[in-house]
Amino acid sequence: AQSVTQLGSHVSVSEGALVLLRCNYSSSVPPYLFWYVQYPNQGLQLLLKYTTGATLVKGINGFEAEFKKSETSFHLTKPSAHMSDAAEYFCAVTNQAGTALIFGKGTTLSVSS
Amino acid sequence: DSGVTQTPKHLITATGQRVTLRCSPRSGDLSVYWYQQSLDQGLQFLIQYYNGEERAKGNILERFSAQQFPDLHSELNLSSLELGDSALYFCASSVETGGPYEQYFGPGTRLTVT
Repeated sequence: AQSVTQLGSHVSVSEGALVLLRCNYSSSVPPYLFWYVQYPNQGLQLLLKYTTGATLVKGINGFEAEFKKSETSFHLTKPSAHMSDAAEYFCAVTNQAGTALIFGKGTTLSVSS
Repeated sequence: DSGVTQTPKHLITATGQRVTLRCSPRSGDLSVYWYQQSLDQGLQFLIQYYNGEERAKGNILERFSAQQFPDLHSELNLSSLELGDSALYFCASSVETGGPYEQYFGPGTRLTVT
């Protein structure tokens, strides 16, 4: 069965520092992987997705993620954090039938000045 | 703005009651998904409809039901409400069904059961 594990429920960085949010997945079929961001009192916004092809995926707001099949990982990075990046981030994988998203528990990113 | 609309934004009701949550997908999207977000369970998939037909079911209780209408809007019906049903309910839509298609999420309906 498909599943997602996000390591670290809370990550704190300083403004300008590297952001690294970790995601490991389990999938019985080639996975489709997604990162979503949720700002307070808002819905989820897609940051980026991996389907096939290039394993380094670039998304919005300067974020990128690398699909590593050997490590079953899809970590999210951003070279330099901004205060506006403070939010909750969710990694997700499609279920085996491809009909729904299975989400991790989420990682709250705090950015300090 | 994702283009997905949900009403109402907030709903407060009592145990035992029934409520209906409404979702309008993005223009052109045929597939609608419902998710529940709670502190203890996280984000969980409830049910999917594609062009009016139920396509997939997740962790949806028997007290909950949904449908998608010919104009493609969808409604989630929650009955015999319990305190534990208090959560944020999201609707998402995608142009097609299947894995690689992005799901666009609405702003959610926050349900409080007292």
